[in-house]
Amino acid sequence: KNEVEQSPQNLTAQEGEFITINCSYSVGISALHWLQQHPGGGIVSLFMLSSGKKKHGRLIATINIQEKHSSLHITASHPRDSAVYICAAGQYSGGGADGLTFGKGTHLIIQP
Amino acid sequence: DADVTQTPRNRITKTGKRIMLECSQTKGHDRMYWYRQDPGLGLQLIYYSFDVKDINKGEISDGYSVSRQAQAKFSLSLESAIPNQTALYFCATSDPGLAGGEQFFGPGTRLTVL
Repeated sequence: KNEVEQSPQNLTAQEGEFITINCSYSVGISALHWLQQHPGGGIVSLFMLSSGKKKHGRLIATINIQEKHSSLHITASHPRDSAVYICAAGQYSGGGADGLTFGKGTHLIIQP
Repeated sequence: DADVTQTPRNRITKTGKRIMLECSQTKGHDRMYWYRQDPGLGLQLIYYSFDVKDINKGEISDGYSVSRQAQAKFSLSLESAIPNQTALYFCATSDPGLAGGEQFFGPGTRLTVL
């Protein structure tokens, strides 16, 4: 069973700061997912990556397969970025996901 | 309209009652999943289905059963609800793709078992 660890568990920062959330996993995976969960509970997929780096707006996700580690960065953070960020490891067979193994999430608060 | 819908959104029930949570999707995805989320524990996989004829247990399937009535519908049942099944339940779908594909989540069902 894959163990997925995230750090930090909680993070409070000021608007404009550069944010980094880390994720490590214990078993080789096919892809690593970053998800965002807002206070209302809904979950949105931010990234799915299996190598290198992806960027979407102010969000950047990187993965190092050899070190079994991924990071999510937020540049120029804004209060609307306040949410829980969840890392999840995906292992796949037959071309499809056998479900995800999730970290416990990082609760991010960006203060104005 | 949302691509992945769940009903009900909130449910309070009593110990021993049978409960069904329903999930529907309009994304045309073959793969569907049920997860539960508990505070401090993160999300855990209950069941997943690759197509109508393929159902698989996840890591916490005890006390739950599922039915894949059609490509678009995947239901989760609690035959005899117990208080420790109080949680937030999410349905998700994915497209096989090359690497399993991004997962799309429903809005969640908050279940309370008294």
